[in-house]
Amino acid sequence: GNSVTQMEGPVTLSEEAFLTINCTYTATGYPSLFWYVQYPGEGLQLLLKATKADDKGSNKGFEATYRKETTSFHLEKGSVQVSDSAVYFCALSSNTNAGKSTFGDGTTLTVKP
Amino acid sequence: EAEVAQSPRYKITEKSQAVAFWCDPISGHATLYWYRQILGQGPELLVQFQDESVVDDSQLPKDRFSAERLKGVDSTLKIQPAELGDSAMYLCASSLGTSGSKNEQFFGPGTRLTVL
Repeated sequence: GNSVTQMEGPVTLSEEAFLTINCTYTATGYPSLFWYVQYPGEGLQLLLKATKADDKGSNKGFEATYRKETTSFHLEKGSVQVSDSAVYFCALSSNTNAGKSTFGDGTTLTVKP
Repeated sequence: EAEVAQSPRYKITEKSQAVAFWCDPISGHATLYWYRQILGQGPELLVQFQDESVVDDSQLPKDRFSAERLKGVDSTLKIQPAELGDSAMYLCASSLGTSGSKNEQFFGPGTRLTVL
């Protein structure tokens, strides 16, 4: 079946540091890929997405590129802020199985001033 | 801004009791999802509806869990009887569809279940 593997956390960075959270996946066909974010006390919300190979999703300074050759969708941000502290989930949606979604276990990011 | 509504937000029950959770998706969203999220893990899909039909319930423990979306709008997830291991956050999400630009999921705030 499909699976998503995220780098283990927690990750602690200083403000303005560079962020990378690794995500790799296993899936048949060509899934859509997502990053969701969960801020403290809030529900999950979509951060960015990519629907085909070599697509780059971007939002709020975050970016991720759909790499089919390495089955990866790593999340990056050039300069993190304290307000970026949250849990980040990588996910895929199958394009062959009624859009069934599979999530990674999440990576907790803490940004210190 | 349209949101996915869930109730209750918190539920404490004793094992062997019945519990029910309700979800109202964003208007016009054909696809509705129920997830279970254990602390420290990602959401696990329990059941997925397309309109009123179940399209995936492969991870739903059918001996104790049931879900319905009778009119293709709001949905109810039931557990009977509840077990200690059911303590988790239950999330509902909805999307316009399942392909291309329609598969962005919008999540509700969740129901935190504690089974004593």
